Order: sequence, then C-alpha cells, then structure tokens
Amino acid sequence: EAGVVQSPRYKIIEKKQPVAFWCNPISGHNTLYWYRQNLGQGPELLIRYENEEAVDDSQLPKDRFSAERLKGVDSTLKIQPAELGDSAVYLCASSLRGGISYEQYFGPGTRLTVT
Amino acid sequence: QKEVEQNSGPLSVPEGAIASLNCTYSDRGSQSFFWYRQYSGKSPELIMSIYSNGDKEDGRFTAQLNKASQYVSLLIRDSQPSDSATYLCAVYRGSTLGRLYFGRGTQLTVWP
Repeated sequence: EAGVVQSPRYKIIEKKQPVAFWCNPISGHNTLYWYRQNLGQGPELLIRYENEEAVDDSQLPKDRFSAERLKGVDSTLKIQPAELGDSAVYLCASSLRGGISYEQYFGPGTRLTVT
Repeated sequence: QKEVEQNSGPLSVPEGAIASLNCTYSDRGSQSFFWYRQYSGKSPELIMSIYSNGDKEDGRFTAQLNKASQYVSLLIRDSQPSDSATYLCAVYRGSTLGRLYFGRGTQLTVWP
C-alpha cells in the first residue's frame, strides 16, 4: 500500500514569493493534516481536514497561508507571500478517521528554505 | 507549561543495552499516546501506540503508560545502531475534533 505522497521534496524561494505544497494521502484515509516542523521541534498542526471540510484551522496563519482539499482526496497548502520565518519542513499526514484511536501516518515532507 | 515534555537528551547507550525514553503530558484528559521515530532528514514514523494504562510490547519495543502520573515511556531492548534517531512522544487530546501534540523529541545514539 502506498504511503502519503508529497511534492516537492525541497523548495528554495526568495522572501515575498509564493509557494505551494501538494499532498496525496493514503488511499481510503478520510482525514488529512498539514503540520509544520521547525528544527529541533516536534510537528505542529496547521490544519486538519475531514473529507473536504477544514475542521481545525485555528493554527493556520490565515493572512498568508491557505489550504484546500477540493475532492476530499489530495490537498494543497499555499503560502503567499513567504517570509524568512516560514523556513521549515511541511509535513502532510493522514488517518483513516479523526479521533482518539486513529493513527496518523506522515509523508516525506517538503523542506522549505526562504532566502 | 508545554503540552508534552520529553527528557532533553541526547541519550547515548551501547549496542545491546536498554534505552529508556520518557515523556510527561500536562492534560489529564489526554486519551491516546504515540511514539514516533524520526531519522535525521526524514519524516516521523509511527512505531508504537498505547491507549490504556500498563505495558504494550511490540518486538524490542515496550510502551508504558501511567495516566495517574501523566507519564509515558518507551523502552528499546537490545538497542542497535540502527535505532539511532530522534524519538517523538505524541499525545492526543480532545474528542473527535481533538489534536495530536508532539514533544520536542529525544535524540538517541546507540554506539557499537
């Protein structure tokens, strides 16, 4: 069974430029998460989708970040404009359902460097 | 107070020894507990989940949960150099719309 797929794996952009990340979850997983991981820290949730609905986006900096999951499968996270502090690894994860007993599986991540 | 705290490490053990990784969490209502392994430059990989008090064993790994003390641990028996990685403790808090909270991780080095 294929795991969570993300692209690109690496991205280097100048500040103020836009950037987008793509994620395809494990087949059959209804819940999709975007996390950000800074160096030396654990992942922090940005947004969670149940099918097409964003059910938890309280941690998403909405002035510059946006996300969509139009058909309830793959998802795109966008930053516009990027700032130096956005340099991090952006991780996508999925689980069968949301809830206490559903394990989350991560994709390989996108390492973003903003110069 | 952070949601999830882990001993800062780094932790260094010889090959064949038992590595003990510890984690405490702040919210007594937390319900599910996970250990992820993260190799340098890679993404977190789920290795253990535990939901009730006591021990759960899977091969060389044993997860221990004590909800009264708000404490989770991971024991790695017969440690191997390939176990060298950062281990992240994660705690799920909330109901259906809850969230997974991660600690900063403990870096483990197993030397031959």
